[in-house]
Amino acid sequence: TQLLEQSPQFLSIQEGENLTVYCNSSSVFSSLQWYRQEPGEGPVLLVTVVTGGEVKKLKRLTFQFGDARKDSSLHITAAQPGDTGLYLCAGGKWGAQKLVFGQGTRLTINP
Amino acid sequence: ETGVTQTPRHLVMGMTNKKSLKCEQHLGHNAMYWYKQSAKKPLELMFVYSLEERVENNSVPSRFSPECPNSSHLFLHLHTLQPEDSALYLCASSPSRGAGYEQYFGPGTRLTVT
Repeated sequence: TQLLEQSPQFLSIQEGENLTVYCNSSSVFSSLQWYRQEPGEGPVLLVTVVTGGEVKKLKRLTFQFGDARKDSSLHITAAQPGDTGLYLCAGGKWGAQKLVFGQGTRLTINP
Repeated sequence: ETGVTQTPRHLVMGMTNKKSLKCEQHLGHNAMYWYKQSAKKPLELMFVYSLEERVENNSVPSRFSPECPNSSHLFLHLHTLQPEDSALYLCASSPSRGAGYEQYFGPGTRLTVT
């Protein structure tokens, strides 16, 4: 069974702090996607990484795909209350029917 | 309307009721999905449709019955549900079926079974 483990599951920090969320697996994935979900809404795609070692930046968010394509991280610099939400990673393999989702990291940024 | 829409956004139903959830995508995608999201659990894939043909059923109980009349619309028919079926039901679409494609989600239907 392919599993994606996210850590931490819950994180509450003050505005302005930096944080990193991890997504780990023992399986190799062709691509890794990160989503953010706000209360009462569906997940919204933030980024897709496909190459081992790839780094993508989205404003204050930095996403990295591990060299072996088994793990990924999301780093947020100077967190803001608007970053609050559930962050989900999802791994995909070409030829497979479905994405494998992690259980999510619930992030709260306090003003 | 843009993206993926779902109706209703909230639904309360008794265990003997019959109701349907509707999903519509305006992205020109060929694949559509139903997911169940429960507290403290990863997203659970329920059904996958590609070009209106069901290609995956993840061992979902028969009290959930999907229907895909065309590539833009997806329904989930519900009957004789159990309280443990209460959850957020999410619809998603992607350009084609397969885990390599990015999925775009609707806002979900919050279902409560009483």
